Amino acid sequence: DAGVTQSPTHLIKTRGQHVTLRCSPISGHKSVSWYQQVLGQGPQFIFQYYEKEERGRGNFPDRFSARQFPNYSSELNVNALLLGDSALYLCASSLRAGLAGGSYEQYFGPGTRLTVT
Amino acid sequence: AQKVTQAQTEISVVEKEDVTLDCVYETRDTTYYLFWYKQPPSGELVFLIRRNSFDEQNEISGRYSWNFQKSTSSFNFTITASQVVDSAVYFCALSAPNTGGFKTIFGAGTRLFVKA
Repeated sequence: DAGVTQSPTHLIKTRGQHVTLRCSPISGHKSVSWYQQVLGQGPQFIFQYYEKEERGRGNFPDRFSARQFPNYSSELNVNALLLGDSALYLCASSLRAGLAGGSYEQYFGPGTRLTVT
Repeated sequence: AQKVTQAQTEISVVEKEDVTLDCVYETRDTTYYLFWYKQPPSGELVFLIRRNSFDEQNEISGRYSWNFQKSTSSFNFTITASQVVDSAVYFCALSAPNTGGFKTIFGAGTRLFVKA
């Protein structure tokens, strides 16, 4: 079975531009989360989506937005890019989410390396 | 506020030594989940274990074992008889309720070097 896939693998953008990152979860998984990982640090939580609804949000500015599609794939959008947005963006999928079900283990994709110049 | 602290930035051991990676967490929630993930040099995070706040039983899986102590808010990870393939960055993570779902917070990670 395919794992979590992300595209593109690498991306170079200029300050002020917009970027869209894509993620396909493991088949059967209905929740997708996005993380930002700066070199030498742990992943920072950006969003969690479950059944197309936002179920968690980290401390990121409104320039960051995301959505989940009916097939459970997801996009992360970042507007008005800053140099500080340069990082590895990780997508993780889990079986489900929501308070009633608890927090499940997440399976991570290889990430998209974003460089902002 | 929730927080995860992994005080050990880097640990270096010789193969076959035992090593313990420390994790201390902070949360006011009574329901929460703790995780350990491994990030090998290839970069992809790999799930190791999940624990909920109501289950303080220690767990052993092969050479890996975990010690969860609510009294000290710690969730430590021990590798017995370490091997070179254990070299990686290990992350402890806390997942706590947030706006209808859960927010997962990772520690800064501990880089483990296992030398042959």
